[in-house]
Amino acid sequence: QLVLTQSPSASSSLGASVNLTCTLSSGHSTYAIAWHQQRPEKGPRYLMKVNSDGSHSKGDGIPARFSGSSSGTERYLTISSLQSEDEADYYCQTWGTGIVVFGGGTKLTVL
Amino acid sequence: QVQLQESGPGLLKPSETLSLTCTVSGGSISRYYWSWIRQPPGKGLEWIGYIYYSGSTRYNPSLESRVTVSLDTSKNQFSLNLRSVTAADTAVYYCARGVYTGRVFFDYWGQGTLVTFSP
Repeated sequence: QLVLTQSPSASSSLGASVNLTCTLSSGHSTYAIAWHQQRPEKGPRYLMKVNSDGSHSKGDGIPARFSGSSSGTERYLTISSLQSEDEADYYCQTWGTGIVVFGGGTKLTVL
Repeated sequence: QVQLQESGPGLLKPSETLSLTCTVSGGSISRYYWSWIRQPPGKGLEWIGYIYYSGSTRYNPSLESRVTVSLDTSKNQFSLNLRSVTAADTAVYYCARGVYTGRVFFDYWGQGTLVTFSP
């Protein structure tokens, strides 16, 4: 069964970097995923797609300090030079046999 | 710039049918997967279903018996019907555009509309 697992919370300091992780279930290591950002009281926004080879393609207007990478069944979102506006929930998402799957989301706190 | 806007009643009674419409502007409705996603208060995102521009549909198995998604290409709109609603269906409902690049990913989202229930 296709499942995406995320840690419920993460924190890092203003100006620092943070890595968020999305783990694919066993047997799905070739799957690409997408990252979406949801700021408080706002709708989600597409950030990027991350492929199994670590390449990524970003959505319109996404700053260069957002990047993606991969290792095995893990897909990463790295945010560098953290800003207060990056405090948000981050969701990963994929698709298999016609069904859409979301991770549970990670709440990022900027200290 | 592609924009999606949800519309529909925000207050329902149990057992009624929830009907929402998403209007797409700034882009073609062709070659995409037009989707509905919801988010209960304080919880994560739950995919409801989508319709491909050709008319084929797929639904979340947990909701499939109550859901219909339809498409009106002449109006650049797609719609959600969720039957026999209960308080458990209270959520913000989002529409989104899915693009196939090996898998389907949502690259544009609406701002969402809150649906709640009167006793």
